[in-house]
Amino acid sequence: EPEVTQTPSHQVTQMGQEVILRCVPISNHLYFYWYRQILGQKVEFLVSFYNNEISEKSEIFDDQFSVERPDGSNFTLKIRSTKLEDSAMYFCATQGGVETQYFGPGTRLLVL
Amino acid sequence: AQTVTQSQPEMSVQEAETVTLSCTYDTSESDYYLFWYKQPPSRQMILVIRQEAYKQQNATENRFSVNFQKAAKSFSLKISDSQLGDAAMYFCAYRGFSNFGNEKLTFGTGTRLTIIP
Repeated sequence: EPEVTQTPSHQVTQMGQEVILRCVPISNHLYFYWYRQILGQKVEFLVSFYNNEISEKSEIFDDQFSVERPDGSNFTLKIRSTKLEDSAMYFCATQGGVETQYFGPGTRLLVL
Repeated sequence: AQTVTQSQPEMSVQEAETVTLSCTYDTSESDYYLFWYKQPPSRQMILVIRQEAYKQQNATENRFSVNFQKAAKSFSLKISDSQLGDAAMYFCAYRGFSNFGNEKLTFGTGTRLTIIP
């Protein structure tokens, strides 16, 4: 069964550093999302991406964040200058039709 | 804005018994989707079941079924014959309907389910 994959599984970084989280969507999926989950809290929407542009973004997704699909397969989330409060699990989700989003295993980001 | 409420932070059930997890939501839309996702200790988000609001029939997936009450905006998950592998955090999620398909998921705060052997 096709799966969404994410790399790295864990990332430790120093405050102020840039990080790039990568996602490989399920083949033929057209809609892409990033969510994050701070430990012990609910999953929160960050951004949706379709047809090579952002469809919607939340208040969390400020100028420090960006997304792109650089090579037509990977879907990346970049955090330009990480803050302590960016420590969280980051999930990529992809969607083929108009119904179900399938989640990747997540990247656990720790900012020190 | 849509909101999703899960009023049970924790639930426990004896192995092989049945348990029901509650979820309510608030929306002004008439067409939408509802989901239950399971998050085991690995923290992977796994789809359990989906319900389309326009369908009156409750969705069922093996031991998992829902009780969808559209008028009451209620969407509970019933797990029958509970197994140890069902132990996880369960999130209820809402997604609006869009012709473009790219609607975000709004999650509840989750219910932690413990299975007692």
